[in-house]
Amino acid sequence: GAVVSQHPSWVICKSGTSVKIECRSLDFQATTMFWYRQFPKQSLMLMATSNEGSKATYEQGVEKDKFLINHASLTLSTLTVTSAHPEDSSFYICSASSPGGADTDTQYFGPGTRLTVL
Amino acid sequence: AQSVTQLDSQVPVFEEAPVELRCNYSSSVSVYLFWYVQYPNQGLQLLLKYLSGSTLVKGINGFEAEFNKSQTSFHLRKPSVHISDTAEYFCAVNTGGFKTIFGAGTRLFVKA
Repeated sequence: GAVVSQHPSWVICKSGTSVKIECRSLDFQATTMFWYRQFPKQSLMLMATSNEGSKATYEQGVEKDKFLINHASLTLSTLTVTSAHPEDSSFYICSASSPGGADTDTQYFGPGTRLTVL
Repeated sequence: AQSVTQLDSQVPVFEEAPVELRCNYSSSVSVYLFWYVQYPNQGLQLLLKYLSGSTLVKGINGFEAEFNKSQTSFHLRKPSVHISDTAEYFCAVNTGGFKTIFGAGTRLFVKA
């Protein structure tokens, strides 16, 4: 149980285009999803916390208009990188929390999306 | 505010040797503690977690960790490592408010 998927697993795009990444909880309802960014050989940097049906909460220094997050349902959150530039190239990872019980504070991670902007 | 310190950025070890990956945290409130493993180009997989109860926690793949409140540590151990254990390991802390803080990671490199 507690499987999180991401799509696509990798994407290459031209500078100036927008890219949408999907994060789905496959076997549980996730009221809260998280989006992380990971640079090579570094830890995860939390970008934003996404709650179903409400606006995402962005971490300091993360551009809201650049990284659009939509948590439309209890099983789907999307991250759209708008007008992507080469410096946006990174590994993007989502996670979801399964509410209730001992797993309340455990995050389950997706496999990540490798974004390369040319 | 909470913080997590992983004391070793890299740990090389020979196959079948024991290993300990160190993690210290700071927090003014009670915490939940986690260890995750990340293989190349993949997301994070939960190894084990401490929420309450017994301070010795057993996880997957033969790993275990011990929560030491007085030393604010949560070190990860395995008595005999395999080549397949080569990966990045992240210690993380959560105070119950969903936001999880990750350490910088420790690269475990198992040599034949």
